[in-house]
This record gives sequence, C-alpha cells and structure tokens, in this order.
Amino acid sequence: KQEVTQIPAALSVPEGENLVLNCSFTDSAIYNLQWFRQDPGKGLTSLLLIQSSQREQTSGRLNASLDKSSGRSTLYIAASQPGDSATYLCAVWRNNDMRFGAGTRLTVKP
Amino acid sequence: GAVVSQHPSRVICKSGTSVKIECRSLDFQATTMFWYRQFPKQSLMLMATSNEGSKATYEQGVEKDKFLINHASLTLSTLTVTSAHPEDSSFYICSARLARSYNEQFFGPGTRLTVL
Repeated sequence: KQEVTQIPAALSVPEGENLVLNCSFTDSAIYNLQWFRQDPGKGLTSLLLIQSSQREQTSGRLNASLDKSSGRSTLYIAASQPGDSATYLCAVWRNNDMRFGAGTRLTVKP
Repeated sequence: GAVVSQHPSRVICKSGTSVKIECRSLDFQATTMFWYRQFPKQSLMLMATSNEGSKATYEQGVEKDKFLINHASLTLSTLTVTSAHPEDSSFYICSARLARSYNEQFFGPGTRLTVL
C-alpha cells in the first residue's frame, strides 16, 4: 500500500527566505506526483504536476523535483511571502487512485 | 477549463438526517470521480472511486450503505451521507478525471458538513 510522508509537518520562516518542503513515497511505480496548496477551510489548488517521466516542473517562484527511484519529491519556494502561508500537500497517483501526504503547514512571517 | 464544482459548499444538519452532496464537472466529461474526506488538520483520505454507470468502489473502512454514491452521468456524481451523526462532520472533496486523460484529477472546492 502506497504511503506518502511529508516533512516537516509545520514550518515557520521569515519573509524572503527560500525554503524546501519534502515528500516521500513508498511505492515508486507512480504515474505522477502533484503538489497542492490548501488554505484553511478551502479546497485544493493545484500548484505543480510532475509526470513520472519528468524530473522537475517550475512555475514562478515554485520548483518541484521528482526522484522516482528514491521515492522523493521536493517543493522549493523562493523568496517566500506572507501570502504563501498555507498547507502544502503532495499526492501520488497510481492504480486509479491518488494518495495524499498529511501536509506541511507553512507560515511566512512578515 | 477542467472546472469541478460542488454543491452545497456548506451544510448543517441534525443527527439522523441524510445529506446529499453533488459534484459536477462543468466543462468536461469525467468517466471517473473520486470522493475524499478530510478531518481537521489531517490530509485527504480517499473514500470511494465512482465510475459512470457502475457501482462505486469503496476504500477499506468506508461503509457503502452509509455513504451512497451515484454516478449517473459523465458530469455528475452524488454522495449521500445517510443517517448522519456528529462523527460524520468533515470536509468532503470530490475530484474528476478527464475521460481522455488517465493522469490528472481536478478537484472541487469541497463541502463542509456539520452534523449537530
């Protein structure tokens, strides 16, 4: 059974800092990996989708990498802003379902 | 494109009543829809996978008689929480997979259910 782990569970940084969120998964036979943002009480906003054949994706200040063989992905956020404060979820897609990590709760202090 | 809506966004009901939540793919056909539940400060847990025109497949530990899923068309799936109890209070999120794409899901905004 696929298990997805995210470290750290919570992170607080000052504004402007670069940061890395980590995601690991136990079964490397995935179709893709997706990073989401979730604001309190809200649904999911898709940030980046990495297909299994890709190694990274970039969007603005966000960069996500994927190393299937080691079962790891990272989400790099450059020059963090208070508006980046949210919970970040990673999810892996395989065998007709998507499994989520527990998320990293990010707080960016002004 | 690829927008998924849910209705209602919030619902409060009395214990013992049934609540129906709708999930619609607005601009695409979805052969498969997924229902997730999220308790406070926890991640999304897959409840069931629903394929158009067939019975839903439930995850272990999810009671199919309590959480009724109907996927009658390529753009609509419904989740009915029957005889709801306070422990069913949660955030329910659906997602839909494009009929022609195997690799991507699109998520609805979620429904907050509170059972008094």
